[in-house]
Amino acid sequence: AQSVAQPEDQVNVAEGNPLTVKCTYSVSGNPYLFWYVQYPNRGLQFLLKYITGDNLVKGSYGFEAEFNKSQTSFHLKKPSALVSDSALYFCAVRAGTTDSWGKLQFGAGTQVVVTP
Amino acid sequence: DAGITQSPRHKVTETGTPVTLRCHQTENHRYMYWYRQDPGHGLRLIHYSYGVKDTDKGEVSDGYSVSRSKTEDFLLTLESATSSQTSVYFCAISESFGGSPLHFGNGTRLTVT
Repeated sequence: AQSVAQPEDQVNVAEGNPLTVKCTYSVSGNPYLFWYVQYPNRGLQFLLKYITGDNLVKGSYGFEAEFNKSQTSFHLKKPSALVSDSALYFCAVRAGTTDSWGKLQFGAGTQVVVTP
Repeated sequence: DAGITQSPRHKVTETGTPVTLRCHQTENHRYMYWYRQDPGHGLRLIHYSYGVKDTDKGEVSDGYSVSRSKTEDFLLTLESATSSQTSVYFCAISESFGGSPLHFGNGTRLTVT
């Protein structure tokens, strides 16, 4: 079985400060990890992914994420948050095996609120 | 946005009636998915398709059926809608099943009264 946890329902940060959204996962074998963002009344948009290679992954809109195998974490980060980063963020994971095809497991989501 | 169109965008229906939601893509991607989004649950997979006429169940498939007669269209049917199926439904597509990310439509908000 695979699972993903986003321990914070909401993260509040002031504009210009660093932003971190936490994600931990449980999966058999090597994980495929993804971050998505959702703006109101829209579908999810892909931000970045980790499949293999460098543990620090860079994505869209200045976001990055660090894969930590020992802590089974994949936290999303942005050095300087913008008000426009206010949105709902989802972490997702699936096992890197063919029998896990289609079985992308999403976290419950973290609402990010960036105040001016 | 990827070329994904969901219709209708909003629907209100009564318990016990059949409902069909449509997803249309212009990307010619092989893989298509239906998810539902509910507060506190994130997104949960209902059904997915890996080609024309090739579909399989996800984690919350009870009460739902799907069909894919053409590459570009993936239909989700609620045979007899129940209040527990009130949700926002998202269609997604992907180019492959490996590391390709999913691209989502803008959703259908379904209310079952």
